[in-house]
Amino acid sequence: DGGITQSPKYLFRKEGQNVTLSCEQNLNHDAMYWYRQDPGQGLRLIYYSQIVNDFQKGDIAEGYSVSREKKESFPLTVTSAQKNPTAFYLCASSINQGTDGYTFGSGTRLTVV
Amino acid sequence: RKEVEQDPGPFNVPEGATVAFNCTYSNSASQSFFWYRQDCRKEPKLLMSVYSSGNEDGRFTAQLNRASQYISLLIRDSKLSDSATYLCVVTDTGRRALTFGSGTRLQVQP
Repeated sequence: DGGITQSPKYLFRKEGQNVTLSCEQNLNHDAMYWYRQDPGQGLRLIYYSQIVNDFQKGDIAEGYSVSREKKESFPLTVTSAQKNPTAFYLCASSINQGTDGYTFGSGTRLTVV
Repeated sequence: RKEVEQDPGPFNVPEGATVAFNCTYSNSASQSFFWYRQDCRKEPKLLMSVYSSGNEDGRFTAQLNRASQYISLLIRDSKLSDSATYLCVVTDTGRRALTFGSGTRLQVQP
């Protein structure tokens, strides 16, 4: 079945460490996105990519980095520069650059310990 | 000012009630509009797209008023399973990414 896979589901990070969240899709979608959600809040856009080898900063890109070397994969690295990384991270993809809505992965919960 | 604003609720309603959620957006150039549903600690799922002519899907009716930059969702005959957070979403025409409201929480009670 086609879909988006995020891993791991839960991730614990020590302060000062970089961690990478995986996002893989087999939907043949061109566009992929990373969002962050804090408790009681909506989703905020971190980075997005409309095509392979190209990506753009969203609203809260500081302290994060991404790559898009393959159409299927859009990993997100949370660096030590991100001051408050504890959150729920959601990856999504779309076939028409968002105009028909997204397919979401099941998310990664990152906790800094 | 937030790009997409919603009343956070919670809306507590009895089973069988009709409930309406409203949402306003600030970017008049927004082109696509959606309602998503999010259950606790889960990913959002598309409930329905919203069209200018209004559209209905079973017990759910969505309306869009472009002049007032206002979107609504009406749920009739509420079920316990409708309890969730409902997210109002618009497309950012410049970067073609979705912008989410903070969500309205609905709790349907027996």
